[in-house]
Amino acid sequence: GNSVTQMEGPVTLSEEAFLTINCTYTATGYPSLFWYVQYPGEGLQLLLKATKADDKGSNKGFEATYRKETTSFHLEKGSVQVSDSAVYFCALSRNFGNEKLTFGTGTRLTIIP
Amino acid sequence: GAGVSQTPSNKVTEKGKYVELRCDPISGHTALYWYRQSLGQGPEFLIYFQGTGAADDSGLPNDRFFAVRPEGSVSTLKIQRTERGDSAVYLCASRLGLNTEAFFGQGTRLTVV
Repeated sequence: GNSVTQMEGPVTLSEEAFLTINCTYTATGYPSLFWYVQYPGEGLQLLLKATKADDKGSNKGFEATYRKETTSFHLEKGSVQVSDSAVYFCALSRNFGNEKLTFGTGTRLTIIP
Repeated sequence: GAGVSQTPSNKVTEKGKYVELRCDPISGHTALYWYRQSLGQGPEFLIYFQGTGAADDSGLPNDRFFAVRPEGSVSTLKIQRTERGDSAVYLCASRLGLNTEAFFGQGTRLTVV
């Protein structure tokens, strides 16, 4: 079946540090890949997505590239801010994202000033 | 409303009782999903509605769980004979149609004591 494995947290970084949160997946076919973010006290929000191999999703300074050869979708940001503190979830969905989402366990990120 | 609304936000119930959790999707959204998120885990799929019908109920853990969406809008997740292991945050998401973003509500935190 489909599964997502992501880097365990918590992750604590200083402001302006470089961020990488690793995500790898197992799936049949060619799934769409997503990063969702959950800020304190808020619901899950889509951060970025990629629907095919070598696509790069980007939003709010975050990027992730769909790597089929390594079945990975690592999240990166060059310079994190305190406001990026949240829980980040990697997820996949088949059929161009029109089916159910399969999530990883989440990575809690804390940025200290 | 502007977003997906879930009520109640918190529910405490005694073991063995029946509970109903409500989801009001964004107006006009035809697809509706229920997920369950246990502490420290990512959301797990329960059921997906397209219109009034359950297109995929493969995530319902057992026959104590049931969900309806009689008019293709509001959905109710029903749990019979609740158990302590049912304690989790129950999330609802809706989507306008194919190839569109899924929007999540803030969830209902269910505690079975």
